[in-house]
Amino acid sequence: AQSVTQLDSQVPVFEEAPVELRCNYSSSVSVYLFWYVQYPNQGLQLLLKYLSGSTLVKGINGFEAEFNKSQTSFHLRKPSVHISDTAEYFCAVSEPGRRALTFGSGTRLQVQP
Amino acid sequence: DAGVTQSPTHLIKTRGQQVTLRCSPISGHKSVSWYQQVLGQGPQFIFQYYEKEERGRGNFPDRFSARQFPNYSSELNVNALLLGDSALYLCASSLEQPRGNTIYFGEGSWLTVV
Repeated sequence: AQSVTQLDSQVPVFEEAPVELRCNYSSSVSVYLFWYVQYPNQGLQLLLKYLSGSTLVKGINGFEAEFNKSQTSFHLRKPSVHISDTAEYFCAVSEPGRRALTFGSGTRLQVQP
Repeated sequence: DAGVTQSPTHLIKTRGQQVTLRCSPISGHKSVSWYQQVLGQGPQFIFQYYEKEERGRGNFPDRFSARQFPNYSSELNVNALLLGDSALYLCASSLEQPRGNTIYFGEGSWLTVV
């Protein structure tokens, strides 16, 4: 069975500082990987996804993530955060042929002025 | 174009009652999935429908059921509500089956069971 671990429940960071949100997964087969963002009282919005190919994936709003198969990780990074990036971030995994996403428990990014 | 729309946005029910949540996918999307998000947790997969047929089911009791209509809209029904069913219920749609395809989430229906 697949699972996702988001190692940090909360990440406080100052505006314009870099940030990394960590995600590790477990699966016995190859996987698809996703990062979603959830702003307060809203649904989930896709930031980026990895299906195959280049291990460095660029997404919206200046975010990027790197797939590391040997470490089974898919960490999300942004070189300079804004106040507006304050939100909950979810890492998710899916196996090819499966119809469901398995989500981590989320990381709350709090950007302070 | 309209995104995934869900109704109602908020509702309060009493234990033992039944609830129906509705979802309209993005125009042209044939697949609809339902997720439950309990406060402080990530979403959990409940159902996926494609072309009006159930194609996937998560680890939820039989009190949960769903269906998809010919226009691809969908309903989620929960019977005999328990306090633990209080959650945000998210509907998501995709053009085809969500095997790596991007799925788009609605803003959800907040269900409170008292």
